[in-house]
Amino acid sequence: GAVVSQHPSWVICKSGTSVKIECRSLDFQATTMFWYRQFPKQSLMLMATSNEGSKATYEQGVEKDKFLINHASLTLSTLTVTSAHPEDSSFYICSAAKGDYSYEQYFGPGTRLTVT
Amino acid sequence: AQTVTQSQPEMSVQEAETVTLSCTYDTSENNYYLFWYKQPPSRQMILVIRQEAYKQQNATENRFSVNFQKAAKSFSLKISDSQLGDTAMYFCAFMMEGGSEKLVFGKGTKLTVNP
Repeated sequence: GAVVSQHPSWVICKSGTSVKIECRSLDFQATTMFWYRQFPKQSLMLMATSNEGSKATYEQGVEKDKFLINHASLTLSTLTVTSAHPEDSSFYICSAAKGDYSYEQYFGPGTRLTVT
Repeated sequence: AQTVTQSQPEMSVQEAETVTLSCTYDTSENNYYLFWYKQPPSRQMILVIRQEAYKQQNATENRFSVNFQKAAKSFSLKISDSQLGDTAMYFCAFMMEGGSEKLVFGKGTKLTVNP
C-alpha cells in the first residue's frame, strides 16, 4: 500500500497564532511532497513542492514567510501557517511521491483549518 | 503553462447507467501523464485512472475507462454501471514527464449518481 496521513484533521486557531500541519508517508519513503490548498467547491491549488533536505519551492503568489514548509525526513513534511488570519481558513492537502516517479502521488486526507 | 479545462461543473446519472466526463488540456509537451482523481464527500483524493501520453491504448480500470485523443488534447472519463458510491467530485489532472513534477488540476465536475 501507499498511505499518507495528515495531522490534525481539523484545527481551529485564533487570529495571530501559528499552526503546524504534519504530513507523513506511513509505508514508503517520499523524496518529494506537495502541499495544496482547496477552498470550498474549488479545485486544488498547489502551494509548494517540498524536497527532503532542501528548501521548498513555492508557487507564484504563495507567501513563503507565511507558509513555512519543512521536509526534515523522507517520511515527514510539515506546513506551518504563521500569524494566521481568517482568510487563511481553508482545506490543506498534502501528497507524497512514491519512489523516483512522482506520477505515483498519494494524497493525505486533508486538514481543515479554521481561523477565528 | 499547462492548463486543464473541465467544462461540466455538474452532472448526474442514474444508477447502473453510463456517464462520460469531459476534459481538455493545453500543452506544448509531447511526453506527459494525465489523471482522473475522485474526491468523495470525505475529501480524500483517490486516483481513478492514469494515462501515459506515449501510450496509444486507452487506459481502463474496471468500470472506468478513458478516451484519450492526443491530437485533440482531450481526455474523457467514462464510468460504466454507475454506482451510488461514484458520487463525488472528479478532477482531471496533467503532469509533465520527469521527476518531481507537479499536478495541474482542472476545476472539477461534481457527479451525482441517483438511485
